[in-house]
Amino acid sequence: GAVVSQHPSRVICKSGTSVKIECRSLDFQATTMFWYRQFPKQSLMLMATSNEGSKATYEQGVEKDKFLINHASLTLSTLTVTSAHPEDSSFYICSAREAGVFYGYTFGSGTRLTVV
Amino acid sequence: GIQVEQSPPDLILQEGANSTLRCNFSDSVNNLQWFHQNPWGQLINLFYIPSGTKQNGRLSATTVATERYSLLYISSSQTTDSGVYFCAYDKGSNYKLTFGKGTLLTVNP
Repeated sequence: GAVVSQHPSRVICKSGTSVKIECRSLDFQATTMFWYRQFPKQSLMLMATSNEGSKATYEQGVEKDKFLINHASLTLSTLTVTSAHPEDSSFYICSAREAGVFYGYTFGSGTRLTVV
Repeated sequence: GIQVEQSPPDLILQEGANSTLRCNFSDSVNNLQWFHQNPWGQLINLFYIPSGTKQNGRLSATTVATERYSLLYISSSQTTDSGVYFCAYDKGSNYKLTFGKGTLLTVNP
């Protein structure tokens, strides 16, 4: 079945630094990738949608200059958290839609970001 | 926006028990789905069920679109069923999912 690899699974960084999270579809082409944020014991909140070769679409209230998304190929999307603050600490999850598959969502295993 | 209510918020079962999880919507939704998030955070798509009933092993789901609710049935629960169950829908043709708050299920041995 479809597999999405997300790395790193855990990262600790210092305030003010940047962190890059990769989301890669291993055995299919992902025309669209989604990035979510999840706080402890809460639901998933969509941050942005990325389509290969075009600019990401951000949800209302999400700072596009802080959360940089690049979907450079049909198998790779990256989320970079810039100038990280402790309040950016969260669980980040990517999801990929397989081209031509109706409602085929595959999720990465998530990245636990802790900013100290 | 559309309000999504999942119940119960928490559920504790003994292994082997059956359970029903519910998802209510304040308005008609498109393309309802059920997901399971295991204790390590991995999400798995369980059912795409905009209407009708589907079954997959010990799990089944029913959506009554006209009454704006969906049910997820888990029979003969196992400890591996533990985690959070989310219902989700999209707002139209853009495939963006909106998730409910989830039901935290704990299955004890």
